[in-house]
Amino acid sequence: EPEVTQTPSHQVTQMGQEVILRCVPISNHLYFYWYRQILGQKVEFLVSFYNNEISEKSEIFDDQFSVERPDGSNFTLKIRSTKLEDSAMYFCASTIGLAGGPGYNEQFFGPGTRLTVL
Amino acid sequence: AQSVAQPEDQVNVAEGNPLTVKCTYSVSGNPYLFWYVQYPNRGLQFLLKYITGDNLVKGSYGFEAEFNKSQTSFHLKKPSALVSDSALYFCAVRVRTGANNLFFGTGTRLTVIP
Repeated sequence: EPEVTQTPSHQVTQMGQEVILRCVPISNHLYFYWYRQILGQKVEFLVSFYNNEISEKSEIFDDQFSVERPDGSNFTLKIRSTKLEDSAMYFCASTIGLAGGPGYNEQFFGPGTRLTVL
Repeated sequence: AQSVAQPEDQVNVAEGNPLTVKCTYSVSGNPYLFWYVQYPNRGLQFLLKYITGDNLVKGSYGFEAEFNKSQTSFHLKKPSALVSDSALYFCAVRVRTGANNLFFGTGTRLTVIP
């Protein structure tokens, strides 16, 4: 069964450093997402991406964040200058987005990258 | 603005007993509703969804959920709980038009006691 994969599983970085989190969505999916889950809290939407551009973003997704689909398979989240409060589990998700639009279809989530900012 | 409430942080149930995990929502418009389950150190796994049609939807692993528009609820149920059902359960909502991202509840930890 196809699945969303994410690397690395755990990233430790120093405050102020740049990090890039990587995701490989399911191959025939068209919509891609990043979510985060701070320890003990709910999953929060960061950004959605379609047709090589951001389609929506939340208030959390400020200028320190960027996303890119550098090739036909990878989808990355970059945090330019990490802060302590960026420590969280980051989930990538994708959906096929057909048959009535992306809202109709369930999103498939990767296993997450745990980011620890020291 | 969309919101999802899961009023119980923790639900304990004996193995073999029926289980219910509660979810209520608030959206402007008709919602799409989802349940996801998260096992330790794993990502979110899709269980079931309500888009339209029959208010009772069936999903993976014997779970089902009932959409109740008047009570704005979408409670997750299973007739007979298994120890392996112990996990964190998230309800999520997406508005039919406009945004396609998911709004999640705070999660309910289900523990099935052998």
